[in-house]
Amino acid sequence: DIQMTQSPSTLSASLGDRVTITCRASQSISRWVAWYQQKPGKAPNLLINQASNLESGVPSRFSGSGSGTEFTLTISSLQPDDFATYYCQQYKNLWTFGQGTKVEIK
Amino acid sequence: EVQLVETGGGLIQPGGSLRLSCAASGFTVTSNYMTWVRQAPGKGVEWVSLIYSSGSTYSSDSVKGRFTISTDNSKNTLYLQMNNLRAEDTAVYYCAIGYGGFDTFFPPPHYWGQGTLVTVSS
Repeated sequence: DIQMTQSPSTLSASLGDRVTITCRASQSISRWVAWYQQKPGKAPNLLINQASNLESGVPSRFSGSGSGTEFTLTISSLQPDDFATYYCQQYKNLWTFGQGTKVEIK
Repeated sequence: EVQLVETGGGLIQPGGSLRLSCAASGFTVTSNYMTWVRQAPGKGVEWVSLIYSSGSTYSSDSVKGRFTISTDNSKNTLYLQMNNLRAEDTAVYYCAIGYGGFDTFFPPPHYWGQGTLVTVSS
């Protein structure tokens, strides 16, 4: 099974900050990684697929990068709507989600 | 518009059984894949089971042998039969749908339901 290790688990940041979340796969998964945003009481919302492809309607301040085993989600300038929990997901071989990163107000 | 509505959650004793349903509209369940993902209270997201349009099914190790995923094409509905439930199965269960896939490769889903809560407790 492919494991996804996401860090940090919690991130305190201020409006306008640049934020980076990292995910590491236990084996090479090429670019088969997705990133989701989840708010309390809601289902996850797909932001990025294939490591760097932004979904329709997702603000351009979100970006993804990486390949192989190391992946990052970056928010270039944190906005009020971005305080949420973020998950990575590998889909090279079935699915595994990372543990999540809660982005909270500093 | 694609809509997914989960039902069937509730309080169940350990060792009991429960069947979740996910009624789909706006697409045909046979033309894509459908999946169940769960989230324990205050915890992260965990993939549970997936069924492909070919009929192939896949499940995580944590539920293999206890949970069965299926569809009823005539009702455009996805099911999750959960047997021998444990306290650690307590979670909100989401159904989701995606397009494409083959073998064990399935792209991330674009549509999710609102979730149904399953509580396993005596």
